[in-house]
Amino acid sequence: DIVMTQSPDSLAVSLGERATINCRSSQNILYRSNYKNYLAWFQQRPGQPPKLLISWASTRESGVPDRFSGSGSGTDFTLTISSLQAEDVAVYYCQQYYSGPITFGQGTRLEIK
Amino acid sequence: EVRLVESGGVLVQPGGSLRLSCAVSGFTFSSLWMHWVRQAPGKGLEWVADIKQDESEIHYVDSVKGRFTISRDNAKNFLHLQMNSLRVEDTAVYYCVSGRGWVLDNWGRGTPVTVSS
Repeated sequence: DIVMTQSPDSLAVSLGERATINCRSSQNILYRSNYKNYLAWFQQRPGQPPKLLISWASTRESGVPDRFSGSGSGTDFTLTISSLQAEDVAVYYCQQYYSGPITFGQGTRLEIK
Repeated sequence: EVRLVESGGVLVQPGGSLRLSCAVSGFTFSSLWMHWVRQAPGKGLEWVADIKQDESEIHYVDSVKGRFTISRDNAKNFLHLQMNSLRVEDTAVYYCVSGRGWVLDNWGRGTPVTVSS
């Protein structure tokens, strides 16, 4: 199984500042035939189901604010929130869908400093 | 927009059985790859099982193989999860999720399953 490891486990950032969450996969999740990284990011606000923010490592879903961006390739990936808003308080998960079973990172809790 | 509504979650004793259902609307159900994902209390997300549109591919996480069965009814727009030989560690909120393949793009609100004596 591919193990997904996020860092840090928790993060406190001031409103308007940048937040960066890292995700590392235990093996390459870049499919060379289509040059796509099989990596997604989810946001889970308190008491809510997860919400897909980004797929293919860097493609924002419709309606997701452009302050959210994804980057990285191969085994190392980053979710960046360029200017933290109060509604961004949540737990964020990365997930690989390169090979079964689908696996998630352990989550990163983002709070306001 | 896809709407997913789970049902069937209850308190059950270890060794018992339970059937979860998910009603899907707002999209052509037969075109959706469907998944179950669970979340134990205070813990992270764990993918449980998936089923392709025509049921030609079905996969399970190792911890539920031989105990859980995923199925779908494309005529009635329902996804099911039959859960047998339940264990305390199966306690979780179970989410019904639709996917563009393995991109998990729409989630229900979940149904809680508690396995306890």
